[in-house]
Amino acid sequence: AQKVTQAQTEISVVEKEDVTLDCVYETRDTTYYLFWYKQPPSGELVFLIRRNSFDEQNEISGRYSWNFQKSTSSFNFTITASQVVDSAVYFCALSEAASNTGKLIFGQGTTLQVKP
Amino acid sequence: NAGVTQTPKFRILKIGQSMTLQCTQDMNHNYMYWYRQDPGMGLKLIYYSVGAGITDKGEVPNGYNVSRSTTEDFPLRLELAAPSQTSVYFCASSVRDGKLFFGSGTQLSVL
Repeated sequence: AQKVTQAQTEISVVEKEDVTLDCVYETRDTTYYLFWYKQPPSGELVFLIRRNSFDEQNEISGRYSWNFQKSTSSFNFTITASQVVDSAVYFCALSEAASNTGKLIFGQGTTLQVKP
Repeated sequence: NAGVTQTPKFRILKIGQSMTLQCTQDMNHNYMYWYRQDPGMGLKLIYYSVGAGITDKGEVPNGYNVSRSTTEDFPLRLELAAPSQTSVYFCASSVRDGKLFFGSGTQLSVL
């Protein structure tokens, strides 16, 4: 069965600190997609990134970066120089690539609090 | 551009009552989904649809029903509300790539 584990329930940092959110997944599929979504205090989930299981290149987008390691089944998310606006719940998610890729298995979420 | 619109935003039901959560999207997406989010938990898929007239069960479908008569609309029906259905419900839509566009959610309490 597919499973996503975000072991960090809550993280608190001071503004400008770097922070890494961990995500470990389990799947028997050879082809799959991994995602990160952000849920700010307003409640609406926002897509951040999608990664294909064939593509293990790390990705950087501004202050955000993602480290995908198939060998350890991990897809970690780092925010550099955190800001108060980064405060949110962050979800890692997994889907099969062969079927409907919107059928996501979500982790429990990590609540990030960035203090000024 | 409205995106995905859910109504109502809040609702309180008594045990045994029924209601329909409305969801509409204006992005012409074929894929639509209903997820529920319980406190401190991730989202779980209730039902999904890959196009008008086609629906299928997700991970937690019991106690719910859906229909998809048009591309735009995907209502979720609770027939006999139970306290276990107290949750935040999210509707989402996408093309076939997993990049979901979510509505703002419906907070439902069953007392």
